[in-house]
Amino acid sequence: DAKTTQPPSMDCAEGRAANLPCNHSTISGNEYVYWYRQIHSQGPQYIIHGLKNNETNEMASLIITEDRKSSTLILPHATLRDTAVYYCIVRPFVYGGSQGNLIFGKGTKLSVKP
Amino acid sequence: AAGVIQSPRHLIKEKRETATLKCYPIPRHDTVYWYQQGPGQDPQFLISFYEKMQSDKGSIPDRFSAQQFSDYHSELNMSSLELGDSALYFCASSSNWAGTNEQFFGPGTRLTVL
Repeated sequence: DAKTTQPPSMDCAEGRAANLPCNHSTISGNEYVYWYRQIHSQGPQYIIHGLKNNETNEMASLIITEDRKSSTLILPHATLRDTAVYYCIVRPFVYGGSQGNLIFGKGTKLSVKP
Repeated sequence: AAGVIQSPRHLIKEKRETATLKCYPIPRHDTVYWYQQGPGQDPQFLISFYEKMQSDKGSIPDRFSAQQFSDYHSELNMSSLELGDSALYFCASSSNWAGTNEQFFGPGTRLTVL
């Protein structure tokens, strides 16, 4: 079972920041928070991941609370092409050797509106 | 940049027939994953291979089998197809020595069982 809880849907106005929350209250010390998104019927796409520090890349920012029980994905200037299902996934980070699969929960369907 | 290639992109089969889906990972990626996504569902992990050996097994039916070949491509073999096998099948690949542990997904194979 997925170890995360996300709101089923959210709306965002084009050009505004989209803030997508995720609860992961049972996260273990060695688990990272990963975010993927799936644009309609396409393969899921990696967005960002983090352990305990805030992270930023060219796609998004990830804010993780100090207790690591929740996080927020921020798309700073949402566009219509950001309309997708966003999945928050917790999993161990493994360097070398066999890695674990992704367990997709229900995700948040983000609709960006003009 | 090279992406994950899946073939065929669309496949129509009758009940009780067999199907073979192929996946060509990104060059130098050593792990392949298979996911199944039914209509209106979230992706579900089926099976994965690391260095040509099965590494993890998820909710893969006994009618399905998979393997990873010496060139790292993978095939998912599905026998005695049922109507409920109609789904999108995604293959993903990753490198255990890359910095993000991210999985790169292919465009998927849409299987329709009539």
